[in-house]
Amino acid sequence: NAGVTQTPKFQVLKTGQSMTLQCAQDMNHNSMYWYRQDPGMGLRLIYYSASEGTTDKGEVPNGYNVSRLNKREFSLRLESAAPSQTSVYFCASSDGGTGNNEQFFGPGTRLTVL
Amino acid sequence: RKEVEQDPGPFNVPEGATVAFNCTYSNSASQSFFWYRQDCRKEPKLLMSVYSSGNEDGRFTAQLNRASQYISLLIRDSKLSDSATYLCAVNKRDSSYKLIFGSGTRLLVRP
Repeated sequence: NAGVTQTPKFQVLKTGQSMTLQCAQDMNHNSMYWYRQDPGMGLRLIYYSASEGTTDKGEVPNGYNVSRLNKREFSLRLESAAPSQTSVYFCASSDGGTGNNEQFFGPGTRLTVL
Repeated sequence: RKEVEQDPGPFNVPEGATVAFNCTYSNSASQSFFWYRQDCRKEPKLLMSVYSSGNEDGRFTAQLNRASQYISLLIRDSKLSDSATYLCAVNKRDSSYKLIFGSGTRLLVRP
């Protein structure tokens, strides 16, 4: 099992460009999440999908959109990148429901916006 | 006040030392608690869940204090390989599955 995979690993964008970060999980998890991590700020939730067909805003959704393509895949789109979106982006998944709900993370995408 | 707070450290300890970290949370209704380990430039990896009765995994012991609203992680006989950032995570008030992460405590184990 690959667990949670993310592409690309690295990306450099110019201000105003758009891109989509891809995430897939093979653990048959119901819930998926997108976080950003900045120095001193910890992990902040951007968007999440509790189950296939649903998406909701997290703590810092502005400037982002998401698509839960199917149970396995959850993508994050930056429509018009800004330097403030320079960060490391992590996708995670969990079983969802009322269990212990530990989350498992992908390797991350390092994004620089110039 | 942040929902989940950790001392950023760094905690600088010699090999073989015992070190403990605390993590305080503000939501008394939180049900799920976790410790994650994050190596430099890597993703967070689940270290252990924290149960009401406390739990132990080798050199690592996690405890929950509901009355004072904190969780703790104790590492005995520290190894050089324990050097990392340790993140605590607590489930969010309005959902059983969303987690709020602390900013992490950095541990440096020196020879």
